[in-house]
Amino acid sequence: EADIYQTPRYLVIGTGKKITLECSQTMGHDKMYWYQQDPGMELHLIHYSYGVNSTEKGDLSSESTVSRIRTEHFPLTLESARPSHTSQYLCASSVGTGYEQYFGPGTRLTVT
Amino acid sequence: QKEVEQDPGPLSVPEGAIVSLNCTYSNSAFQYFMWYRQYSRKGPELLMYTYSSGNKEDGRFTAQVDKSSKYISLFIRDSQPSDSATYLCAMTNAGNMLTFGGGTRLMVKP
Repeated sequence: EADIYQTPRYLVIGTGKKITLECSQTMGHDKMYWYQQDPGMELHLIHYSYGVNSTEKGDLSSESTVSRIRTEHFPLTLESARPSHTSQYLCASSVGTGYEQYFGPGTRLTVT
Repeated sequence: QKEVEQDPGPLSVPEGAIVSLNCTYSNSAFQYFMWYRQYSRKGPELLMYTYSSGNKEDGRFTAQVDKSSKYISLFIRDSQPSDSATYLCAMTNAGNMLTFGGGTRLMVKP
């Protein structure tokens, strides 16, 4: 089982709140990713990082931001949550070519 | 049109059946093809990957790629109830960015 952790697993929060979704991996992987997944839909890449102090936006436009200050840690922040942010957020990491990505268990976010 | 198309299912089969899961894609630049399995309330895990066209076998699982038809398949032999999950295909053109299908939900009934 991959050593990649996400907290919280479930979060229900009101509109306008600031939230941070945590992601940590203990495998020393240089590449990390955040995906958004709605039920029955594709995973959409929203952010990625190739290493410390490197972050890029993915294909899906997102109002979230990320940081990569340490190799093992890749948190995602929403400054002001909205109901449209309700979704499952998956964190992943990889090394080398990147096609073998290891996923965390996900955070299911509900914004009321 | 989506770059990767996958029938969402659900696909329901009896235990022991041979299962065929498929994806079609439109981007001819894709070279690496992956199958991920996702159990309920878990993140996806890599099952198999294949480079370019051809077949690859791993135990009860066989991945097949036909680049000329832009069509990939995953076959599961002697399916078990523990195979019940959502199967996601993913592909890339050798970069780190994966393009995923929407997943096919498989149910194997005892």
